[in-house]
Amino acid sequence: GENVEQHPSTLSVQEGDSAVIKCTYSDSASNYFPWYKQELGKRPQLIIDIRSNVGEKKDQRIAVTLNKTAKHFSLHITETQPEDSAVYFCAATYNNNDMRFGAGTRLTVKP
Amino acid sequence: EAGVTQFPSHSVIEKGQTVTLRCDPISGHDNLYWYRRVMGKEIKFLLHFVKESKQDESGMPNNRFLAERTGGTYSTLKVQPAELEDSGVYFCASSLFGQGARETQYFGPGTRLLVL
Repeated sequence: GENVEQHPSTLSVQEGDSAVIKCTYSDSASNYFPWYKQELGKRPQLIIDIRSNVGEKKDQRIAVTLNKTAKHFSLHITETQPEDSAVYFCAATYNNNDMRFGAGTRLTVKP
Repeated sequence: EAGVTQFPSHSVIEKGQTVTLRCDPISGHDNLYWYRRVMGKEIKFLLHFVKESKQDESGMPNNRFLAERTGGTYSTLKVQPAELEDSGVYFCASSLFGQGARETQYFGPGTRLLVL
């Protein structure tokens, strides 16, 4: 089945620095890669996604890159702020009908 | 528009007891997913409904877990009898049918299950 590996499991950065989270997947047919943010005590929410026909997508301070050949994709957060502190999950489609998630990265932004 | 809701928010039961979790998806969403997260691990896929039909239940751990979605609206996930390893947060998510898994999934707040 699909295996999504996510690294690092924890990440601590200083406010204003950049944060990068990386994921790899195994299903070569995967074609949609969303990223979810889960703040403490809240539900996971979609923050950005990328489809397999593009290599990069940006939304203000957040960007995602996709390398289909290498089967990896990354989340980049620039100018981090304390409110970016949360657990971030990457995911990839599997069998075109389902989603498989990574284990999550706990990001802490220190003021 | 109301989001995905789940009930109960928390459940503490003893090993061997039965628990039923409920999920109400966003109205009009044909896709309904159940996931489980154990502390520090991935959001693990359990199963996927399209309307009332089980599209994929390959993630269900064993036959102690039974999911239903009668009428294609809300869904229940019953664990009977519960074991210690069933503890975790159970999430439900829903999405439009449209492009299958490429549709945005909206998560519920989760049910935190603790089996003692």
